[in-house]
Amino acid sequence: GESVGLHLPTLSVQEGDNSIINCAYSNSASDYFIWYKQESGKGPQFIIDIRSNMDKRQGQRVTVLLNKTVKHLSLQIAATQPGDSAVYFCAETLQGAQKLVFGQGTRLTINP
Amino acid sequence: GAGVSQSPSNKVTEKGKDVELRCDPISGHTALYWYRQSLGQGLEFLIYFQGNSAPDKSGLPSDRFSAERTGGSVSTLTIQRTQQEDSAVYLCASSLATGTGKEYFGPGTRLLVL
Repeated sequence: GESVGLHLPTLSVQEGDNSIINCAYSNSASDYFIWYKQESGKGPQFIIDIRSNMDKRQGQRVTVLLNKTVKHLSLQIAATQPGDSAVYFCAETLQGAQKLVFGQGTRLTINP
Repeated sequence: GAGVSQSPSNKVTEKGKDVELRCDPISGHTALYWYRQSLGQGLEFLIYFQGNSAPDKSGLPSDRFSAERTGGSVSTLTIQRTQQEDSAVYLCASSLATGTGKEYFGPGTRLLVL
């Protein structure tokens, strides 16, 4: 659901390590999911998406995993770099709904 | 092509003043969204426009907030009689009407009410 009034959870990892950011989505009928990255002072930017007929999708250094049984979405970032430091949001929608529902976001910090 | 643009990028105003925030969506995108993001927090949905349909205003926090979209393109979010708690980043996004729902965000307007 909407992430109003909550302070963001944080995750710190060492540069070069892999990171996993988790998201519990709210609607079991949702069939499309997106991960966004928001760097400081900027708007959210699309990273990767996945449809509900898939359970895994890979991009460049990023992998999204979808577990519909427990309504769980995760974003894996391989070999993290300083530029990966940002807030990451998951979003869900139902085809035809035309409006995304955003998760609360996770702040990822990459330590040198 | 050009992305979503917003203006001004920063706005400082005094409590009680009205402000107008502008959003230019991606050309051809018929859906437009406004969100509010307070410092260190997530995205709060405000309002959604889709073509000529009546807007979804379910997220507007009070009647001091209103938005319009002229000619199916540019949108203006107006906050009347601003309060200090209105200080936040206001984000605009647009998407294709028949697309997946993937939203493309602008850089936001940072509003500070003194």
